[in-house]
Amino acid sequence: QLVLTQSPSASASLGASVKVTCTLSSEHSDYAIAWHQQQPEKGPRYLMTLNSDGSHNKGDGIPDRFSGSSSGAERYLTISSLQSEDEADYYCQTWGTGTVIFGGGTKVTVL
Amino acid sequence: HVQLVESGGGVVQPGGSLRLSCAASGFSFWRYGMHWVRQAPGGGLEWVAAISYDGGTKYYVDSVKGRFTISRDNSKSTLYLEMNSLRAEDTAVYYCANQDKVGATTYWGQGTPVTGSS
Repeated sequence: QLVLTQSPSASASLGASVKVTCTLSSEHSDYAIAWHQQQPEKGPRYLMTLNSDGSHNKGDGIPDRFSGSSSGAERYLTISSLQSEDEADYYCQTWGTGTVIFGGGTKVTVL
Repeated sequence: HVQLVESGGGVVQPGGSLRLSCAASGFSFWRYGMHWVRQAPGGGLEWVAAISYDGGTKYYVDSVKGRFTISRDNSKSTLYLEMNSLRAEDTAVYYCANQDKVGATTYWGQGTPVTGSS
């Protein structure tokens, strides 16, 4: 079964970096995922598509501070030089034949 | 620029029906698959349904099969979600989103709320 697992929360200080992890079910470790940001009281915003080899394509206007990487079944979103507006929920997403799956989301808090 | 604007949400009694619309602009709507995704109060994102660029293929999450119908009118650049036999657990903000060639949803609307009321 295609499953994405995320830690519920992460935090870091203003100006620091934070790494958010999304883990694919082991039999789907070669799947690409997408990362989305949802700021409070707003709709989701696409950040990037991240492949199993770590290559990624970012959405329109996404700052260089957002980057992605991969290791095995794990997919990472790193936010560098954290700003207050980065405080948000971050969701990973993947897809298979006839289905789309979201992770449970990670709330990033800027300290 | 790409815009997706949902409408049609509201308060509905259990067992009732609603039709959501999503008006698209700023891209060639007829070339892209489209999705509905919902978010219950305080919850995460849940995929609901998807439709291919030409409307020929449709997929649904198990919990809405037989109750919801996704459709599109490419001449009007509009996506629809017909919701019947609504349940309390269908209460959520409903978002439409387009799909890129790989499968990711890359543009999202602002959402329209559907609230179950007894």
